[in-house]
Amino acid sequence: ETGVTQTPRHLVMGMTNKKSLKCEQHLGHNAMYWYKQSAKKPLELMFVYSLEERVENNSVPSRFSPECPNSSHLFLHLHTLQPEDSALYLCASSQGSSGTNYGYTFGSGTRLTVV
Amino acid sequence: QKEVEQNSGPLSVPEGAIASLNCTYSDRGSQSFFWYRQYSGKSPELIMSIYSNGDKEDGRFTAQLNKASQYVSLLIRDSQPSDSATYLCAVTLNYGQNFVFGPGTRLSVLP
Repeated sequence: ETGVTQTPRHLVMGMTNKKSLKCEQHLGHNAMYWYKQSAKKPLELMFVYSLEERVENNSVPSRFSPECPNSSHLFLHLHTLQPEDSALYLCASSQGSSGTNYGYTFGSGTRLTVV
Repeated sequence: QKEVEQNSGPLSVPEGAIASLNCTYSDRGSQSFFWYRQYSGKSPELIMSIYSNGDKEDGRFTAQLNKASQYVSLLIRDSQPSDSATYLCAVTLNYGQNFVFGPGTRLSVLP
């Protein structure tokens, strides 16, 4: 596979469930990101990992917990979510922690619905 | 003032016309500017990047940057119905430390 792959594509979970989103990049990039995209709102940066170290956490609630075991894999662990957390969750990767020179490559996203 | 602003649209243009999409940003220190296209239900894909004042052309797409006026635009020539999508402007802020997206402009190209 090439590019950035995310699984699952769709997820429906109850507020008491625990689930994880997975992202894998095959581009040799050294930075990975989680973004949240809600209807009629701009993309919101959640977490940034550069060289497997978390470099930014934009005041994301603790019910979202990221994990980056190596430069190719990124997880987002979810627990006790709220209905307002329903959104499209996008993983991205870049060469460089800000994507300054090359921009991001996005995965296909996970459409999350919290019921 | 919001960091990156775009007209949400929808912007409707007839097939074959030029579509003009605009983006303004607040941080004078911004260095890198990107345009992404996002089809409904899909993830954003990078279509243009620009770093210096002036125009940059790639096929039917032209990005224009004016740092003094703090705006960046995207022109799509000979618009096709397949260009119908939401176009996201992305800007690095704080001299490259942060990367912020605008809300996007929805473009509709009418056959």
